[in-house]
Amino acid sequence: EPEVTQTPSHQVTQMGQEVILRCVPISNHLYFYWYRQILGQKVEFLVSFYNNEISEKSEIFDDQFSVERPDGSNFTLKIRSTKLEDSAMYFCASSPGPPGEQYFGPGTRLTVT
Amino acid sequence: TQLLEQSPQFLSIQEGENLTVYCNSSSVFSSLQWYRQEPGEGPVLLVTVVTGGEVKKLKRLTFQFGDARKDSSLHITAAQPGDTGLYLCAGFNYGGSQGNLIFGKGTKLSVKP
Repeated sequence: EPEVTQTPSHQVTQMGQEVILRCVPISNHLYFYWYRQILGQKVEFLVSFYNNEISEKSEIFDDQFSVERPDGSNFTLKIRSTKLEDSAMYFCASSPGPPGEQYFGPGTRLTVT
Repeated sequence: TQLLEQSPQFLSIQEGENLTVYCNSSSVFSSLQWYRQEPGEGPVLLVTVVTGGEVKKLKRLTFQFGDARKDSSLHITAAQPGDTGLYLCAGFNYGGSQGNLIFGKGTKLSVKP
């Protein structure tokens, strides 16, 4: 069964460093998303991406964040200058389209020290 | 701001018991998703409900979407230890954007043998 994959599974970085989180969505899906989950809290939307552009972003997704689909398969989230409060699980999701069936990857645990 | 409230927050029962968990909002959603999440992993999609009053069954799990599309319930019959996990509901809305999921905080279920 097709699934969303994410790499790395765990990333440790120092405050101020840039990180790139990678995702391979399900191949025939058209909509791509990033969410994050701080330990013990609920899953929060960051950004959605469709037709090679951002379609929606949350207040969390400030100028330090960017997304890219550099080729036909990968979908990346870049954090330019990490802060301690960026420590969280980051989930990539993809969907064939509405009505909201989004399939999540296993996540990348980002630890900023 | 749309919010989803899940209750109860924690539920501990014996194997073989039945249970119901709830997901409530003051807002109308186009669809509602139920996910199950294991510690350190991504949410796994269980079901999507779209039509008000819709009932879907997945083996021993029964999902219902409220008539007004503001609430949903998950009923588990004859719970088993393998049902242990965090159950999340997530609402979706069509709109000018491609939409994103709004998650509740979840119900943490523990089924004891």
